[in-house]
Amino acid sequence: AQTVTQSQPEMSVQEAETVTLSCTYDTSESDYYLFWYKQPPSRQMILVIRQEAYKQQNATENRFSVNFQKAAKSFSLKISDSQLGDAAMYFCAYRRSQGAQKLVFGQGTRLTINP
Amino acid sequence: GAVVSQHPSRVICKSGTSVKIECRSLDFQATTMFWYRQFPKKSLMLMATSNEGSKATYEQGVEKDKFLINHASLTLSTLTVTSAHPEDSSFYICSAAILGRAQGRNTIYFGEGSWLTVV
Repeated sequence: AQTVTQSQPEMSVQEAETVTLSCTYDTSESDYYLFWYKQPPSRQMILVIRQEAYKQQNATENRFSVNFQKAAKSFSLKISDSQLGDAAMYFCAYRRSQGAQKLVFGQGTRLTINP
Repeated sequence: GAVVSQHPSRVICKSGTSVKIECRSLDFQATTMFWYRQFPKKSLMLMATSNEGSKATYEQGVEKDKFLINHASLTLSTLTVTSAHPEDSSFYICSAAILGRAQGRNTIYFGEGSWLTVV
C-alpha cells in the first residue's frame, strides 16, 4: 500500500521569507500524481500544486514550487515570499495514475507565518 | 470552476439517532465520490469510495453498517451515520472527480465539509 509521510508537524517562518515543507512517499508504481493541499481554518481543502510523476520538470505555481525527487521518493513544497494568508495546514497527497482515484494523505504540517 | 457542495455544514444529533450528510457536484457529473473523516489536528482518513449505481467500497476498519453510503445519481452521494454515538463526532468531508476527462488528468474537488456533533 502507498504511504505518505510528513515529518514536520509544525513549521514557522517570518513573513516574506521562504519555507520548505517536506514530504516522502512510498509506492511501487511508476506512474502517479503528487499533490500539496492547503487547509486553512475554514477546513476547505485547497489544491496548491500538483506534480505528475512522469514529468521531470518541477511544478511551479506563482510563489509555490516543488522539488520532486522521484528516485528518492521525495516531494517538498517551497513557499517563497511567505504571506500571512499562507498560514494553514498543508497536506501532501499521493494518487495512483490508473485505477482508484483516491488520495492518500500525509499527516500534515501546520505552517505559521510570523509578522 | 467545478464546485462540490456539502450539506449540512454543521449538525448536532442525539446519541442513537441517524444523521445524513449530502455531497453534491453542482456543475459536473461525478461517477466517483470519496468520503473522508478528519479528527482534530489530524489528517484526512479515507472512509469509502462511492460509485454511482453500485455499492460503495469501504476502507479497512470502517463499519459498513454504521456509515451507509449511497450514490444514487451522478451528482449526489450521501453518508448516513446510523445509531450515532459521541465517538462518531468528527469532521466529514467529501470529494468528487470530474467525469469525462482522461483518467490521468482527473481533478478532484472537495466539499466544504460537515461538522457532526453527537450529544
